[in-house]
Amino acid sequence: DTAVSQTPKYLVTQMGNDKSIKCEQNLGHDTMYWYKQDSKKFLKIMFSYNNKELIINETVPNRFSPKSPDKAHLNLHINSLELGDSAVYFCASSQFVDQPQHFGDGTRLSIL
Amino acid sequence: QQQVKQSPQSLIVQKGGISIINCAYENTAFDYFPWYQQFPGKGPALLIAIRPDVSEKKEGRFTISFNKSAKQFSLHIMDSQPGDSATYFCAAENQGGKLIFGQGTELSVKP
Repeated sequence: DTAVSQTPKYLVTQMGNDKSIKCEQNLGHDTMYWYKQDSKKFLKIMFSYNNKELIINETVPNRFSPKSPDKAHLNLHINSLELGDSAVYFCASSQFVDQPQHFGDGTRLSIL
Repeated sequence: QQQVKQSPQSLIVQKGGISIINCAYENTAFDYFPWYQQFPGKGPALLIAIRPDVSEKKEGRFTISFNKSAKQFSLHIMDSQPGDSATYFCAAENQGGKLIFGQGTELSVKP
């Protein structure tokens, strides 16, 4: 009964490949987020969706494209992976915007 | 203006002692200040949060002190335990729902 679940937990791939990370929340929340945590553990927001609509889009390369098929899911697709994309990516959700955010356990992406 | 500065970067405390982590922000539009706890291999978990209309909030051994005029807030962990060893993040959020995190503090509580 995990609240925010991400798959896969680990992703190892080569430079130039395209990959996707999936996120699902069973909390009934309206808002979902993607964060990137770098090797120094710094957490930075990438995107936010509220009821399937994009509301936050930080300065992220357009190789990153979020997709929200419904309120409970927010997937992240990354094209043409680069070495600098290696990080842990976290999905989160909140009841509404400006409410406490609940995080998944992350997807560790390693680019060879 | 979007920065949240956190210190110290790392902290070692004896069991039973008080752990204190400090944060400062610049943007006066922030109106929600949570603290998150992160264990290795896990996502950040909300620990305690405060809004700027109060100066202190206590939940069990965890207390947030908030100084609006100085634009500073801090986390105090009383009677620190080895199980509290984790990375702690302060954060600040504006009404748009954008959470800005501090750089994190690695806390180690020695038995």
